Amino acid sequence: NAGVTQTPKFQVLKTGQSMTLQCAQDMNHNSMYWYRQDPGMGLRLIYYSASEGTTDKGEVPNGYNVSRLNKREFSLRLESAAPSQTSVYFCASRVGAGYTFGSGTRLTVV
Amino acid sequence: GIQVEQSPPDLILQEGANSTLRCNFSDSVNNLQWFHQNPWGQLINLFYIPSGTKQNGRLSATTVATERYSLLYISSSQTTDSGVYFCAVAMEYGNKLVFGAGTILRVKS
Repeated sequence: NAGVTQTPKFQVLKTGQSMTLQCAQDMNHNSMYWYRQDPGMGLRLIYYSASEGTTDKGEVPNGYNVSRLNKREFSLRLESAAPSQTSVYFCASRVGAGYTFGSGTRLTVV
Repeated sequence: GIQVEQSPPDLILQEGANSTLRCNFSDSVNNLQWFHQNPWGQLINLFYIPSGTKQNGRLSATTVATERYSLLYISSSQTTDSGVYFCAVAMEYGNKLVFGAGTILRVKS
């Protein structure tokens, strides 16, 4: 099925561990985004990529890095996880005004 | 940065009732969208509506850009309408949507 695929769906990390959240879309969209969702705060933009080879910071980039590996894939890396990074992470892609979101990754840092 | 406020924060409806959700924003925008997040967490785009009125079935939306607010109307609500409704805006078309905190809707049968 066409859409945005995120892996993993769930993850528990210990403080200080690193991990990469994967995102891939098969709709040939240029723009891709990483958001985090915390209770009562809606979604906040971490990083985005307007096209292959470009990335830019969003509202809450500290503690994260991203890679736009190719047009399909946009990964989010936590180098040293902290409890404050416990959240649900959403990847999205866009063409025109239409956003398509992945199903999310629920990350818990203990 | 631009601020987005949604009201009410919580809403409980009996099946069949109508409701209006409001979104206020602090600056001129070129992009305004409404999303529905179902109880399983999936986000679905409902409307792209930087100005004017649109309708899709039982849902409709109106944005009055000059007064910096948007309204989402849900008529004859169903239990499947439950979830969180987000308003999101951007000052430039397409990029960097800023989300409101959402309205949690519970429709009871």
